[in-house]
Amino acid sequence: KNEVEQSPQNLTAQEGEFITINCSYSVGISALHWLQQHPGGGIVSLFMLSSGKKKHGRLIATINIQEKHSSLHITASHPRDSAVYICAPRYSGGGADGLTFGKGTHLIIQP
Amino acid sequence: EAQVTQNPRYLITVTGKKLTVTCSQNMNHEYMSWYRQDPGLGLRQIYYSMNVEVTDKGDVPEGYKVSRKEKRNFPLILESPSPNQTSLYFCASSLRGLAGDLSYEQYFGPGTRLTVT
Repeated sequence: KNEVEQSPQNLTAQEGEFITINCSYSVGISALHWLQQHPGGGIVSLFMLSSGKKKHGRLIATINIQEKHSSLHITASHPRDSAVYICAPRYSGGGADGLTFGKGTHLIIQP
Repeated sequence: EAQVTQNPRYLITVTGKKLTVTCSQNMNHEYMSWYRQDPGLGLRQIYYSMNVEVTDKGDVPEGYKVSRKEKRNFPLILESPSPNQTSLYFCASSLRGLAGDLSYEQYFGPGTRLTVT
């Protein structure tokens, strides 16, 4: 089964700081999702990527397939970015579904 | 508005009393899935469905049943709930490519918080 390691597990930062959350996985994948879960519990898909880099507003996601590593960056962080960020690689082969989840990074942005 | 809906949002029940959590999507997605989320364990897949009448077990299927009689609905059934099924449950859906490719954005429902006493 594909293993997913996220780091850090917890991160507290000041408003305006540049944030990086890392995700490493152990086998080949077809795509990787970054999800955001707010304190109320709802989950939103931020990115799905299979190569390179994607940007949406202040959020940037990158993936290096060869190194089995992805990062989520937040520029000019704001308290409303406080949430749990979950990395979810979908590994290829070995079964029809293949979506696995990291345990999440709990981010707190202080004003 | 494109969305996945779940009902109920909150449920407190007793051991052994059968219950159903409904999930419905209005995006004509082929793929639907159920997850449970527990502290320290993250999201774990219970069952998934690639299309109508096609369902398969995820990582933690014991104690759960599902059905997919219509494309839009994917109910989760707990025939005899037990306290270890107390959890936060999410339904999700996405498109599915012709070759079975699932590399599409996942849409999640708002979650159902279930407590079994």
